[in-house]
Amino acid sequence: NAGVTQTPKFRVLKTGQSMTLLCAQDMNHEYMYWYRQDPGMGLRLIHYSVGEGTTAKGEVPDGYNVSRLKKQNFLLGLESAAPSQTSVYFCASTIDYTYEQYFGPGTRLTVT
Amino acid sequence: KNQVEQSPQSLIILEGKNCTLQCNYTVSPFSNLRWYKQDTGRGPVSLTIMTFSENTKSNGRYTATLDADTKQSSLHITASQLSDSASYICVVSGGSYIPTFGRGTSLIVHP
Repeated sequence: NAGVTQTPKFRVLKTGQSMTLLCAQDMNHEYMYWYRQDPGMGLRLIHYSVGEGTTAKGEVPDGYNVSRLKKQNFLLGLESAAPSQTSVYFCASTIDYTYEQYFGPGTRLTVT
Repeated sequence: KNQVEQSPQSLIILEGKNCTLQCNYTVSPFSNLRWYKQDTGRGPVSLTIMTFSENTKSNGRYTATLDADTKQSSLHITASQLSDSASYICVVSGGSYIPTFGRGTSLIVHP
């Protein structure tokens, strides 16, 4: 089992560029989450999904879009990157929303 | 509004010493409380999970306690090691799909 994987690990974007972060899990988990982590702010939820084909907004959804076309994948898109989106992005999955979440290794994104 | 407050924000201790991290929450209804360890540059990893009926749970040198009446939890680390240097995050699940995260306590263990 690879667990939760994230692609890419690092990325530098210019303001206005777009990109997609990929999260994949091989544990057959229903629930998947995208977080961003900034110094002193802790983990903040961007979007989440409770099953294939579903998505919902979290605490800080503005500027991001997501898709869950396949159960094992959860994509996070930035249509027009801004410097405020410089952060470390973590994906997580769980079999039940009351159970522990399994986190990926993170994607470090810098927007210049 | 559901909230999880952790203290202290940061802590420095010497190797071999014990320490206790605190977590206070106002999440309602309550389902469970988890402590995660996050090493620098890595994703969080679960240490313990406790439900309403559990008041103590251990994982090696880590012992978590829960007082559901006062809505407080603590994580006690015994005989600290350099590898304990990390951020420790308290997470509380309630009645929604979204757990509530604390901001974490940054622990540094010096030799």
